[in-house]
Amino acid sequence: DTGVSQDPRHKITKRGQNVTFRCDPISEHNRLYWYRQTLGQGPEFLTYFQNEAQLEKSRLLSDRFSAERPKGSFSTLEIQRTEQGDSAMYLCASSVADRGYTFGSGTRLTVV
Amino acid sequence: QKEVEQDPGPLSVPEGAIVSLNCTYSNSAFQYFMWYRQYSRKGPELLMYTYSSGNKEDGRFTAQVDKSSKYISLFIRDSQPSDSATYLCAMRAPLSGGSYIPTFGRGTSLIVHP
Repeated sequence: DTGVSQDPRHKITKRGQNVTFRCDPISEHNRLYWYRQTLGQGPEFLTYFQNEAQLEKSRLLSDRFSAERPKGSFSTLEIQRTEQGDSAMYLCASSVADRGYTFGSGTRLTVV
Repeated sequence: QKEVEQDPGPLSVPEGAIVSLNCTYSNSAFQYFMWYRQYSRKGPELLMYTYSSGNKEDGRFTAQVDKSSKYISLFIRDSQPSDSATYLCAMRAPLSGGSYIPTFGRGTSLIVHP
């Protein structure tokens, strides 16, 4: 068990470009969550998966945001046509059912 | 009004002090109360969790929940400079469809000075 792994740790991109982040959860965890955290705020829920099914996506910030979890293992979060307001820390967490929420170190996105 | 309220601080204390960190919440359906510690530019690390009202102790940390007042606290005894971090409270909030997701306060910044 190596914990929740996120890649890359830091991404700098130009406005208008697409970016994709990857999350590898703890292997026995069936649930995977994506959060966004801006400076001075707590993590804000975006979406989550149970195995490969995306059970909640209404909190994704706009239709530019999408997430996948093929085969119920790793997950990707994509942001299309990035804007400066997308600059934030994107956090992934995993859990067994509704407990033991473990976070990764996050991907820090800077849009210039 | 946010669902989970937490004073952002900063809270500055001398080494060895007892620290009290607090959150209030608005929805009585919230459950499974958690405290996370977050160092700068790192992900949140789970410190403690509890299901019910009352106290739970783990080393220098004590989590306290009062469901009737919708109030939770984290106490840190004999605080150390290495405790300097942001402390986030979280609790499971119900989603439509019957599932739950962790909902966070904004975090309290703690500074323990030698």
